[in-house]
Amino acid sequence: EAQVTQNPRYLITVTGKKLTVTCSQNMNHEYMSWYRQDPGLGLRQIYYSMNVEVTDKGDVPEGYKVSRKEKRNFPLILESPSPNQTSLYFCASSFGRADTQYFGPGTRLTVL
Amino acid sequence: AQSVTQLDSQVPVFEEAPVELRCNYSSSVSVYLFWYVQYPNQGLQLLLKYLSGSTLVKGINGFEAEFNKSQTSFHLRKPSVHISDTAEYFCAVSVTPDDKIIFGKGTRLHILP
Repeated sequence: EAQVTQNPRYLITVTGKKLTVTCSQNMNHEYMSWYRQDPGLGLRQIYYSMNVEVTDKGDVPEGYKVSRKEKRNFPLILESPSPNQTSLYFCASSFGRADTQYFGPGTRLTVL
Repeated sequence: AQSVTQLDSQVPVFEEAPVELRCNYSSSVSVYLFWYVQYPNQGLQLLLKYLSGSTLVKGINGFEAEFNKSQTSFHLRKPSVHISDTAEYFCAVSVTPDDKIIFGKGTRLHILP
């Protein structure tokens, strides 16, 4: 089954404790993105990747890192999480920015 | 910077009535336009997209949208809504030569019995 998977689905952590949210897709997509969704703000793109080893900043990259060492995986790293990073995070993938994005189920992160 | 404006944060509509959800974008250059839907407690899925060609685009579940270049709009319409259309709807744009994708803030569609 074609899908985007994210782990964990729910995470409660404390300020400053490094964490990684994994994202994997099995559709051989080149383009992958991370978004955060906050009430009243819609989805905001954090980082995106056009292909392996190619990543670029979206609109809200501060406090986040990503890597794209393999085509299928695009982990999101929070080196020192802060409470303002409490949010719902979605990973998405597509063949390109003109193509349909397929979204993961979301990761709800709470930073205390 | 590019932006997407969804003019209504919430739209209540009676079942079987028509609905229009409005979307305007800021760019005057070549754009790709999308509407995504998010059902309660789920991820997003594509409703329809405009890349080029005919300005009237038909999507899933009876939705359609019209691209209007002069008004930089991409409004979503459905002639008769059903209770199952209750969801949040997001307009998104991708603008050349940038590779970013910008989403609007979303419109919650409430279907009234």
